[in-house]
Amino acid sequence: EVQLVESGGGLVQPGGSLRLSCAASGFTFSTYWMTWVRQAPGKGLEWVANIKQDGSEKYYVDSVKGRFTISRDNAKNSLYLQMNSLRAEDTAVYYCARDHSGGWYPSWGQGTLVTVSS
Amino acid sequence: DIQMTQSPSTLSASVGDRVTITCRASQSISTSLAWYQQKPGKAPKLLIYQASSLESGVPSRFSGSGSGTEFTLTISSLQPDDFATYYCQQCIGYKAFGQGTKVEIK
Repeated sequence: EVQLVESGGGLVQPGGSLRLSCAASGFTFSTYWMTWVRQAPGKGLEWVANIKQDGSEKYYVDSVKGRFTISRDNAKNSLYLQMNSLRAEDTAVYYCARDHSGGWYPSWGQGTLVTVSS
Repeated sequence: DIQMTQSPSTLSASVGDRVTITCRASQSISTSLAWYQQKPGKAPKLLIYQASSLESGVPSRFSGSGSGTEFTLTISSLQPDDFATYYCQQCIGYKAFGQGTKVEIK
């Protein structure tokens, strides 16, 4: 059974940093693109970033470029999102998701809440 | 970037109703579209991929259609478990989501 478990969320002040983790199990992690999607309170889903199987390609939504870095450790079956220079508008539940080659997301984690506030 | 627009934003319906949600892409995406269901406090659940393919385990009352720029998600007979928010997502390039359609009890 595919399992994705996010961790690392919490309360952080504007301008601060946070590192999210996603522990994967139940599938061969190193063979899948992986993605972060976020959802602000009461709002819709927003695609944030994704990363190729070997980490050689990474893509970001414009609003986080230069502030967020997606990475992975295939030996540890783990996905990460380093978030720097956080803003109030980054407040959201962050989900990790496993990509299907066709571009949709069959598997999601339960999400971790990031709150940016002073 | 391709933008996705869903309508309506909110839909009031009764158990047993046939429900249709529309998603429009700002440019052609062929059949590269997925639909998700999300309930409060839960992660999204994949319902439909490639515009019309039913994900394994999803009830057959859900169906998807369309190609190019216009797509629909249909629930043939709304069940109590179907009251939720539904999102479309384009599956090429920047994988934008629609803004969501909340299906609520009439």
